[in-house]
Parts: sequence; C-alpha cells; structure tokens
Amino acid sequence: EVQLVESGGGLVQPGGSLRLSCAASGFTVNNTYMSWVRQAPGKGLEWVSVIYSGGSTYYADSVKGRFTISRDNSKNTLYLQMNSLRAEDTAVYYCARDSGYSYGWGQGTLVTVSS
Amino acid sequence: EIVLTQSPGTLSLSPGERATLSCRASQSVSSSYLAWYQQKPGQAPRLLIYGASSRATGIPDRFSGSGSGTDFTLTISRLEPEDFAVYYCQQYGNSPRTFGGGTKVEIK
Repeated sequence: EVQLVESGGGLVQPGGSLRLSCAASGFTVNNTYMSWVRQAPGKGLEWVSVIYSGGSTYYADSVKGRFTISRDNSKNTLYLQMNSLRAEDTAVYYCARDSGYSYGWGQGTLVTVSS
Repeated sequence: EIVLTQSPGTLSLSPGERATLSCRASQSVSSSYLAWYQQKPGQAPRLLIYGASSRATGIPDRFSGSGSGTDFTLTISRLEPEDFAVYYCQQYGNSPRTFGGGTKVEIK
C-alpha cells in the first residue's frame, strides 16, 4: 500500500528553523517526483517545492533561498528544511507524489510560526 | 506567473443536481496541463482530473473536465452527498505551478 506520513511540524519563533519529514512506503522516493504543497489556515493551496527523480529542485518564489527540499534514499524519506521562518509560513504542509500534478498526498503536518 | 481565477466562489446546489465549476487562466496553460482537486474539511486534497480531462484512478465518471487555453471547466453530472467540498484547479505547465482560489460546493 502506498502511504506518505509527514512529521516535524510544530511551533517555532520567527527567524527559526524546522525540518519536515515525509516517510514513504509502497514506492521508492528516489524514482519519483515528489512535491510539497502548503495551506495556510482557512486559505487555499500553495505549491512550495518539487524534487525530480534526477535530483533537480524547484521552489516557489516565496520560499526560494529559505527552504531546501531533499531526500534520503536509504530511509525512503523526503525532507523540507525551512530556515528564516516568517509568520506567513504558518500552514499545513503536505507532501505528495508528483507528475506535474500532485497525487497520493500525505495527511499533512502543521507549522506555526509565532512568538 | 499564471493566475487562476475560479468561479463562482460558492455554489449552492441540491443532491442530484449538476455542478459546473470554472477555472480561468491569466494566460494560456501549456499543453492543457491543468488539474482539479477535491478537498473536504480536515482532509488532504484528492486528485480528480489531470491533463484537463483525464480522470484520476478511482474517480467516478460523474466527474468530468474540459477546456483548453485559458478556460477550463469541472462538471459533476449529478451531485452525491459526498461531493460537497471545496474544489481547486492547478496549472502545472508553467513555472511556478499555481492553484486557483477554490470553489466551495455546498448543500442548498
């Protein structure tokens, strides 16, 4: 069974850092495009980042230079390293398998940036 | 950046009725790379349609997508109780990928 489980969310102060994890089962992250999408409380969806199977990475302008997407093939896990966090980064972060569109979403993890 | 505008913001309908949701792009979407998602409260989004008109695995045939260029439509032929939710369109043909603001389909 294909499954994605996010973790690592929580409360962090502005300017702080957090690393999100997305543990995959039923498929290999190394062979798959993977993306992060976020949703601020009560708001719509915002695409954040994608990593292609060849390793290329792309980011939304709103997070470029602050967030880094990566994967650990030995752990079959996707990551999102988030630095210099701002209040506007507060959201539920979802990981998903990707083919341009996102499919097979995880349940999400909440990140709250507040002092 | 391609801006996607969804209309209406809210659609109030009864079970059994037909729902027509619109997604308009600020510029042409490459190769009809447009997807539709359904999201229910407290749940992750679910892919319904990709490539403007292809149904994702397991999606009932009452859901259909159409359109090209800048105008796209999601049609639900006969609303079932479980279809009342928020629907988002997304374009993935141009970088950055962008989502529309969503249409809420509520019970009248």
